[in-house]
Amino acid sequence: GAVVSQHPSRVICKSGTSVKIECRSLDFQATTMFWYRQFPKKSLMLMATSNEGSKATYEQGVEKDKFLINHASLTLSTLTVTSAHPEDSSFYICSTRTGGPVAEQYFGPGTRLTVT
Amino acid sequence: AQSVTQLDSQVPVFEEAPVELRCNYSSSVSVYLFWYVQYPNQGLQLLLKYLSGSTLVKGINGFEAEFNKSQTSFHLRKPSVHISDTAEYFCAVSDLEGFQKLVFGTGTRLLVSP
Repeated sequence: GAVVSQHPSRVICKSGTSVKIECRSLDFQATTMFWYRQFPKKSLMLMATSNEGSKATYEQGVEKDKFLINHASLTLSTLTVTSAHPEDSSFYICSTRTGGPVAEQYFGPGTRLTVT
Repeated sequence: AQSVTQLDSQVPVFEEAPVELRCNYSSSVSVYLFWYVQYPNQGLQLLLKYLSGSTLVKGINGFEAEFNKSQTSFHLRKPSVHISDTAEYFCAVSDLEGFQKLVFGTGTRLLVSP
Protein backbone atom coordinates (compact mmCIF):
# COMPACT_ATOMS: atom_id res chain seq x y z
CA GLY A 1 0.00 0.00 0.00
CA ALA A 2 0.91 3.65 -0.22
CA VAL A 3 3.09 5.30 2.41
CA VAL A 4 1.85 8.43 4.10
CA SER A 5 3.82 10.41 6.65
CA GLN A 6 2.80 13.11 9.07
CA HIS A 7 4.92 15.66 10.83
CA PRO A 8 5.13 16.26 13.68
CA SER A 9 3.93 13.12 15.45
CA ARG A 10 3.33 15.08 18.64
CA VAL A 11 3.10 18.79 19.31
CA ILE A 12 2.35 20.83 22.38
CA CYS A 13 1.49 24.48 21.93
CA LYS A 14 0.19 27.31 24.03
CA SER A 15 -3.32 28.59 23.75
CA GLY A 16 -3.60 31.32 21.13
CA THR A 17 -0.74 30.14 18.95
CA SER A 18 -0.97 28.41 15.59
CA VAL A 19 0.42 25.02 14.66
CA LYS A 20 0.99 23.44 11.28
CA ILE A 21 0.72 19.73 10.57
CA GLU A 22 2.16 18.25 7.39
CA CYS A 23 0.88 15.24 5.50
CA ARG A 24 3.07 13.76 2.79
CA SER A 25 2.35 11.08 0.24
CA LEU A 26 5.73 9.44 -0.15
CA ASP A 27 5.30 7.10 -3.06
CA PHE A 28 2.51 8.36 -5.26
CA GLN A 29 0.94 11.61 -6.33
CA ALA A 30 -2.25 12.27 -4.44
CA THR A 31 -4.69 14.69 -5.98
CA THR A 32 -7.00 14.20 -3.02
CA MET A 33 -6.16 14.02 0.66
CA PHE A 34 -8.48 13.89 3.63
CA TRP A 35 -8.09 15.31 7.14
CA TYR A 36 -9.71 13.59 10.10
CA ARG A 37 -9.97 14.38 13.76
CA GLN A 38 -10.22 11.68 16.38
CA PHE A 39 -11.31 12.32 19.94
CA PRO A 40 -10.38 9.89 22.73
CA LYS A 41 -12.37 6.66 22.47
CA LYS A 42 -14.22 8.10 19.50
CA SER A 43 -14.37 7.47 15.82
CA LEU A 44 -12.68 9.46 13.11
CA MET A 45 -14.58 12.51 11.99
CA LEU A 46 -13.86 13.82 8.52
CA MET A 47 -12.91 17.49 8.69
CA ALA A 48 -12.20 18.30 5.08
CA THR A 49 -11.29 17.03 1.66
CA SER A 50 -8.14 18.58 0.30
CA ASN A 51 -7.64 18.85 -3.46
CA GLU A 52 -4.36 19.80 -5.05
CA GLY A 53 -4.46 23.28 -6.51
CA SER A 54 -7.92 24.19 -5.27
CA LYS A 55 -9.72 25.13 -2.09
CA ALA A 56 -10.48 22.44 0.43
CA THR A 57 -14.04 21.26 0.96
CA TYR A 58 -14.98 21.37 4.62
CA GLU A 59 -17.53 19.20 6.36
CA GLN A 60 -20.48 20.81 8.05
CA GLY A 61 -19.56 22.29 11.41
CA VAL A 62 -15.84 22.60 10.72
CA GLU A 63 -14.55 26.16 10.87
CA LYS A 64 -12.59 26.79 7.71
CA ASP A 65 -10.95 29.91 9.14
CA LYS A 66 -9.70 27.98 12.12
CA PHE A 67 -8.50 24.88 10.33
CA LEU A 68 -6.62 26.11 7.28
CA ILE A 69 -5.82 23.49 4.69
CA ASN A 70 -3.34 23.92 1.88
CA HIS A 71 -2.67 21.31 -0.78
CA ALA A 72 0.02 23.02 -2.79
CA SER A 73 1.54 19.95 -4.41
CA LEU A 74 0.60 16.41 -5.27
CA THR A 75 2.58 15.07 -2.35
CA LEU A 76 1.94 17.58 0.42
CA SER A 77 -1.08 18.85 2.27
CA THR A 78 -0.91 20.96 5.40
CA LEU A 79 -3.41 21.60 8.18
CA THR A 80 -2.89 24.73 10.23
CA VAL A 81 -4.80 25.08 13.48
CA THR A 82 -5.01 28.81 14.04
CA SER A 83 -5.37 30.45 17.44
CA ALA A 84 -5.46 27.08 19.09
CA HIS A 85 -7.49 26.47 22.22
CA PRO A 86 -7.46 23.53 24.63
CA GLU A 87 -10.60 22.14 23.01
CA ASP A 88 -8.62 21.75 19.78
CA SER A 89 -6.47 19.14 21.50
CA SER A 90 -6.98 15.95 19.57
CA PHE A 91 -5.44 13.32 17.32
CA TYR A 92 -5.34 14.52 13.72
CA ILE A 93 -4.97 11.97 10.94
CA CYS A 94 -4.60 12.51 7.22
CA SER A 95 -5.15 10.08 4.40
CA THR A 96 -4.41 10.01 0.73
CA ARG A 97 -6.69 8.72 -1.93
CA THR A 98 -5.47 6.65 -4.82
CA GLY A 99 -6.84 7.25 -8.27
CA GLY A 100 -9.03 4.98 -10.30
CA PRO A 101 -12.70 4.07 -10.11
CA VAL A 102 -12.35 2.37 -6.73
CA ALA A 103 -10.21 4.56 -4.57
CA GLU A 104 -8.43 3.36 -1.49
CA GLN A 105 -7.39 5.58 1.35
CA TYR A 106 -4.01 5.21 3.02
CA PHE A 107 -3.65 6.80 6.40
CA GLY A 108 -0.82 8.66 8.01
CA PRO A 109 0.36 7.78 11.52
CA GLY A 110 -1.42 10.76 13.05
CA THR A 111 -0.42 13.86 14.98
CA ARG A 112 -1.22 14.29 18.66
CA LEU A 113 -1.94 17.97 19.35
CA THR A 114 -2.07 19.20 22.93
CA VAL A 115 -2.97 22.81 23.57
CA THR A 116 -2.12 24.09 27.01
CA ALA B 1 -26.20 9.87 3.83
CA GLN B 2 -24.65 6.77 5.29
CA SER B 3 -24.16 5.70 8.87
CA VAL B 4 -22.29 2.86 10.51
CA THR B 5 -23.11 1.19 13.82
CA GLN B 6 -20.66 -0.90 15.79
CA LEU B 7 -22.70 -2.19 18.67
CA ASP B 8 -19.83 -3.42 20.81
CA SER B 9 -17.48 -0.78 22.16
CA GLN B 10 -15.23 -3.44 23.66
CA VAL B 11 -14.83 -7.17 23.11
CA PRO B 12 -12.67 -9.15 25.56
CA VAL B 13 -11.51 -12.55 24.39
CA PHE B 14 -8.90 -15.12 25.33
CA GLU B 15 -5.99 -15.92 23.09
CA GLU B 16 -6.70 -18.56 20.44
CA ALA B 17 -10.47 -18.11 20.81
CA PRO B 18 -12.63 -17.06 17.86
CA VAL B 19 -14.00 -13.55 17.67
CA GLU B 20 -16.68 -11.65 15.78
CA LEU B 21 -16.88 -7.87 15.67
CA ARG B 22 -20.25 -6.62 14.54
CA CYS B 23 -20.93 -3.87 12.02
CA ASN B 24 -24.24 -2.68 10.61
CA TYR B 25 -24.68 0.11 8.14
CA SER B 26 -27.43 2.28 6.75
CA SER B 27 -27.47 3.70 3.26
CA SER B 28 -30.00 4.51 0.57
CA VAL B 29 -27.47 3.67 -2.14
CA SER B 30 -24.94 0.94 -2.75
CA VAL B 31 -21.74 1.32 -0.81
CA TYR B 32 -18.26 -0.06 -0.47
CA LEU B 33 -17.45 -1.56 2.93
CA PHE B 34 -14.18 -1.57 4.83
CA TRP B 35 -12.60 -2.73 8.06
CA TYR B 36 -9.61 -0.85 9.44
CA VAL B 37 -7.40 -1.58 12.45
CA GLN B 38 -5.72 1.06 14.59
CA TYR B 39 -2.92 0.32 17.02
CA PRO B 40 -2.28 2.81 19.86
CA ASN B 41 -1.17 6.24 18.68
CA GLN B 42 -1.02 5.12 15.08
CA GLY B 43 -3.01 5.69 11.92
CA LEU B 44 -5.37 3.20 10.37
CA GLN B 45 -4.44 0.12 8.42
CA LEU B 46 -6.82 -1.52 5.95
CA LEU B 47 -7.77 -5.06 6.97
CA LEU B 48 -10.15 -5.85 4.16
CA LYS B 49 -12.77 -4.39 1.87
CA TYR B 50 -15.91 -5.42 0.06
CA LEU B 51 -16.47 -3.88 -3.34
CA SER B 52 -18.57 -6.44 -5.20
CA GLY B 53 -18.71 -10.12 -6.01
CA SER B 54 -18.27 -12.80 -3.37
CA THR B 55 -19.83 -11.79 -0.08
CA LEU B 56 -17.06 -13.45 1.93
CA VAL B 57 -13.97 -11.31 1.94
CA LYS B 58 -10.60 -12.38 3.27
CA GLY B 59 -8.12 -9.85 4.57
CA ILE B 60 -4.76 -9.61 6.23
CA ASN B 61 -3.74 -11.21 9.53
CA GLY B 62 -6.28 -14.03 9.16
CA PHE B 63 -9.36 -11.81 9.31
CA GLU B 64 -12.42 -12.23 7.13
CA ALA B 65 -15.78 -10.51 6.83
CA GLU B 66 -19.10 -11.37 5.30
CA PHE B 67 -21.35 -8.89 3.54
CA ASN B 68 -25.04 -9.50 4.16
CA LYS B 69 -27.14 -7.14 2.10
CA SER B 70 -30.50 -8.15 3.55
CA GLN B 71 -29.26 -7.52 7.09
CA THR B 72 -27.06 -4.59 6.06
CA SER B 73 -24.22 -6.11 8.01
CA PHE B 74 -20.51 -6.60 7.49
CA HIS B 75 -19.25 -8.52 10.52
CA LEU B 76 -15.55 -9.18 11.01
CA ARG B 77 -14.33 -12.58 12.16
CA LYS B 78 -11.17 -14.38 13.06
CA PRO B 79 -11.11 -18.07 14.03
CA SER B 80 -8.21 -17.79 16.46
CA VAL B 81 -6.92 -14.50 17.85
CA HIS B 82 -3.47 -13.58 19.09
CA ILE B 83 -2.35 -11.16 21.76
CA SER B 84 -1.07 -8.95 18.97
CA ASP B 85 -4.60 -8.52 17.61
CA THR B 86 -5.38 -6.25 20.55
CA ALA B 87 -6.32 -2.97 18.88
CA GLU B 88 -9.21 -0.72 17.86
CA TYR B 89 -11.22 -1.90 14.87
CA PHE B 90 -13.27 0.43 12.71
CA CYS B 91 -15.92 -0.43 10.17
CA ALA B 92 -16.47 2.12 7.40
CA VAL B 93 -18.54 2.69 4.29
CA SER B 94 -18.10 4.91 1.28
CA ASP B 95 -20.05 6.00 -1.74
CA LEU B 96 -19.33 4.34 -5.03
CA GLU B 97 -18.95 7.69 -6.77
CA GLY B 98 -17.25 11.02 -6.24
CA PHE B 99 -14.54 11.37 -3.63
CA GLN B 100 -15.75 8.19 -1.94
CA LYS B 101 -15.45 9.73 1.49
CA LEU B 102 -15.33 7.27 4.34
CA VAL B 103 -17.93 7.24 7.10
CA PHE B 104 -16.67 5.39 10.16
CA GLY B 105 -18.34 3.55 12.97
CA THR B 106 -17.42 4.34 16.56
CA GLY B 107 -14.95 1.49 16.77
CA THR B 108 -14.64 -1.72 18.75
CA ARG B 109 -11.73 -2.31 21.07
CA LEU B 110 -10.59 -5.92 20.88
CA LEU B 111 -8.81 -7.01 24.05
CA VAL B 112 -7.01 -10.33 23.80
CA SER B 113 -5.73 -11.80 27.03
CA PRO B 114 -3.60 -14.89 27.67
